[in-house]
Amino acid sequence: AQKITQTQPGMFVQEKEAVTLDCTYDTSDPSYGLFWYKQPSSGEMIFLIYQGSYDQQNATEGRYSLNFQKARKSANLVISASQLGDSAMYFCAMRGNTGGFKTIFGAGTRLFVKA
Amino acid sequence: NAGVMQNPRHLVRRRGQEARLRCSPMKGHSHVYWYRQLPEEGLKFMVYLQKENIIDESGMPKERFSAEFPKEGPSILRIQQVVRGDSAAYFCASSPLRADEQFFGPGTRLTVL
Repeated sequence: AQKITQTQPGMFVQEKEAVTLDCTYDTSDPSYGLFWYKQPSSGEMIFLIYQGSYDQQNATEGRYSLNFQKARKSANLVISASQLGDSAMYFCAMRGNTGGFKTIFGAGTRLFVKA
Repeated sequence: NAGVMQNPRHLVRRRGQEARLRCSPMKGHSHVYWYRQLPEEGLKFMVYLQKENIIDESGMPKERFSAEFPKEGPSILRIQQVVRGDSAAYFCASSPLRADEQFFGPGTRLTVL
């Protein structure tokens, strides 16, 4: 069975500092994709970054980077130079690329950026 | 290119009524996914559809819920005889291919009185 675990219900970070949001996963699929989404208080889901299980390099998108450690089954999101607008819920998600088509989401981490 | 459209954005129903939620995928996207988000929880997969076909409905409740994605028009998530426990945000996502990134709509917030 597939599972996503986000162990941090809430995190605080000072503006302009970096923060790491943890995500571990479990799957039996040999090929899979890992995603991070941001959900601000307005409620929409905003795609941030994607990592394929066979990608050799960690994904980066602007201030977002994904620290992918396949052997440890972790896919932590690193946000550099935090901004007040980064305050939101962050969800880690995974989809197997063989067999089933479901994307499963973690419970989320609420990030608070302090001025 | 407009994003994924969902309507209505907010829907209020009384217990026992029917709720119809609509999703228009991005242009050129033929894969549609529906998710439900309860308050303070992550999204839970409900159903995955391609045009005129249900591919995976393993996350759909066995009763009262149905989904379709006709050849023409939006995808519809239908909830019959709603109960208070159906109150949630329902998100639709679309992708051009199955393994691609999914683009989410703004969601429909259903409140059952």
